[in-house]
Amino acid sequence: EAGVAQSPRYKIIEKRQSVAFWCNPISGHATLYWYQQILGQGPKLLIQFQNNGVVDDSQLPKDRFSAERLKGVDSTLKIQPAKLEDSAVYLCASSSGTSGPGTQYFGPGTRLLVL
Amino acid sequence: KNEVEQSPQNLTAQEGEFITINCSYSVGISALHWLQQHPGGGIVSLFMLSSGKKKHGRLIATINIQEKHSSLHITASHPRDSAVYICAAASGRDDKIIFGKGTRLHILP
Repeated sequence: EAGVAQSPRYKIIEKRQSVAFWCNPISGHATLYWYQQILGQGPKLLIQFQNNGVVDDSQLPKDRFSAERLKGVDSTLKIQPAKLEDSAVYLCASSSGTSGPGTQYFGPGTRLLVL
Repeated sequence: KNEVEQSPQNLTAQEGEFITINCSYSVGISALHWLQQHPGGGIVSLFMLSSGKKKHGRLIATINIQEKHSSLHITASHPRDSAVYICAAASGRDDKIIFGKGTRLHILP
């Protein structure tokens, strides 16, 4: 079974530029999560999708971050414009809801450096 | 106070030593995860526990539901075990996961 795919793996941009990350969850997984992990901290949930609907985006900085999952499969996370404090690893995870509660499968992450 | 607390934050040990990482949580959970994160950033799920004890190779994870405490043990540690180990509590109410801040483990050859 293929895992959660993310791209790119690494990205370096200058502040005020825009950046987009892509996630392809495990086939058939209805729930998709985007996390932000700043160095030295645990991941923080940014947004949770159930199919193509948003379940929770309470911690998403909506002035600069946006995410979509138009067809209920792939998802993109965008930052526009980026700030220095956005430097972090962005993790995508998915779950089926039938594997037991709390079973999330994580992607390899995208490491973002904002200069 | 964080809902999921890990200790120690950093741990350096010699190859071969027995390693213990602790996790305490204050929320009701349906399951507790132990995750491994290497420098590249990707996360690998090691264990998902709801009771008792699980073993996989040199890794052992235990959980005490009454005390809201879990431990991850590594026997005969090896430099390749060097990583950040994250404890994460799956909420008993919904599908949310609350992460600890991680324990950075460095095994010296």
